[in-house]
Amino acid sequence: QKEVEQNSGPLSVPEGAIASLNCTYSDRGSQSFFWYRQYSGKSPELIMFIYSNGDKEDGRFTAQLNKASQYVSLLIRDSQPSDSATYLCAVTPSNAGGTSYGKLTFGQGTILTVHP
Amino acid sequence: ETGVTQTPRHLVMGMTNKKSLKCEQHLGHNAMYWYKQSAKKPLELMFVYNFKEQTENNSVPSRFSPECPNSSHLFLHLHTLQPEDSALYLCASSQVGKSGYTFGSGTRLTVV
Repeated sequence: QKEVEQNSGPLSVPEGAIASLNCTYSDRGSQSFFWYRQYSGKSPELIMFIYSNGDKEDGRFTAQLNKASQYVSLLIRDSQPSDSATYLCAVTPSNAGGTSYGKLTFGQGTILTVHP
Repeated sequence: ETGVTQTPRHLVMGMTNKKSLKCEQHLGHNAMYWYKQSAKKPLELMFVYNFKEQTENNSVPSRFSPECPNSSHLFLHLHTLQPEDSALYLCASSQVGKSGYTFGSGTRLTVV
C-alpha cells in the first residue's frame, strides 16, 4: 500500500466549475497535511496546509481533513485555466518528533486540466 | 537573491563523470532536503539535514554524496551515475519543527 495515494488523473473540469482533488494516507498518526501545486517544468509551490479536522479556506481553495477516514481533499472553486497543473498531496509521518520533524511524504500527484 | 536557488538548471553528464549540484537558501531556514522526482513517480526523499547535520539518508546509493557546509548551503555530489538516475533533483528548505517547505527550481539531470 502506498503511503500517500492520489488519483493520477487527469482530472478535467470546465472553467468556473469546482475541482475536487483527493488524497488518502496510510499512517494513522500523521499530523500535518499539505497541498502543493506544480506547473509543468517548475518546482512545487505550497498552496495550503491543514492540521486539524474540518475545513480550512483560503480564497478559492478549501482543504478538508478527516483523520478518522485518513482522507484529505482540496477543493478549487471557480476553476481557471491557470489552475491547470499537477497537485501534490504531502503528509508528515507520525514519528515526526525529534530531528526528522518536517520530513514530508508525497503522493504521485493529480493532473488537473481546466478547459475554457 | 531570495528563496531557494539551485544550480545548474540543466545538466547532462556521462556515466563516468563527476559533477555537483548546488543549493542555497536565503530564508534563514535551518533544515534542508534533497528530493528526486522521476516521471510518474512521487517525490522521493533522499537526504535531510537539520542544523547542517545529516539526520536522514533514505537508502540512497553511494554514487550520490551530500554535503552541507552550513545551514544555507547544500550540495549533491554525483559520480558514476546510471541512466535511471536521470530525473529532476529538487532542493528544499524549512525551519526545524515546521513542515512548510520552500523548493528550489530544481536541476534537470540527464545521464547518458
